[in-house]
Amino acid sequence: DAGVTQSPTHLIKTRGQQVTLRCSPKSGHDTVSWYQQALGQGPQFIFQYYEEEERQRGNFPDRFSGHQFPNYSSELNVNALLLGDSALYLCASSFNSGRVNEQFFGPGTRLTVL
Amino acid sequence: GNSVTQMEGPVTLSEEAFLTINCTYTATGYPSLFWYVQYPGEGLQLLLKATKADDKGSNKGFEATYRKETTSFHLEKGSVQVSDSAVYFCALSPKGNTGFQKLVFGTGTRLLVSP
Repeated sequence: DAGVTQSPTHLIKTRGQQVTLRCSPKSGHDTVSWYQQALGQGPQFIFQYYEEEERQRGNFPDRFSGHQFPNYSSELNVNALLLGDSALYLCASSFNSGRVNEQFFGPGTRLTVL
Repeated sequence: GNSVTQMEGPVTLSEEAFLTINCTYTATGYPSLFWYVQYPGEGLQLLLKATKADDKGSNKGFEATYRKETTSFHLEKGSVQVSDSAVYFCALSPKGNTGFQKLVFGTGTRLLVSP
């Protein structure tokens, strides 16, 4: 059983460009959350998707947007990249059972903005 | 608001030493509490969790007890191994949104264990 997978592993962009990161959840999971982890910091919640809709959003600007597909996979899009967007982007999946369930994390995508 | 404070690292120990990593939290109500571990080049793995006061989470020799009175969830292990070297994150999930679980993380504590 494959766990959470993310692509690409690494990405280098320049300021002002746009980027799309992809995530496939663990089998049986229907909810995907995205986190940004700056170097030396803990992950920060960006947003969560369930039933193809954004359920809640953290303190991130509108430049950050996402999508969830019918197969539960998800994309994170960042427009007008800034140097400060350089970070490890983590995707986490879980199953919405109405109880506290474990979020399973992928290995992340390392984004470098030059 | 919700926040998590962890002791700064790195924590440097010799193999078989006793480990404590302190974690305190601020939250509305009674959140669920977690410890995640991140090995070099990998994503986060759940180490243990506790969902209500006085619960003790345990896994792989690690333990943490949910202390409501001190708003703490300190991580302990009686005898660390070199393979425990990693970054440890304390996190909370605010109560009341069990179908939606946003995790709020601390800044992480790096543990280095030498032979």
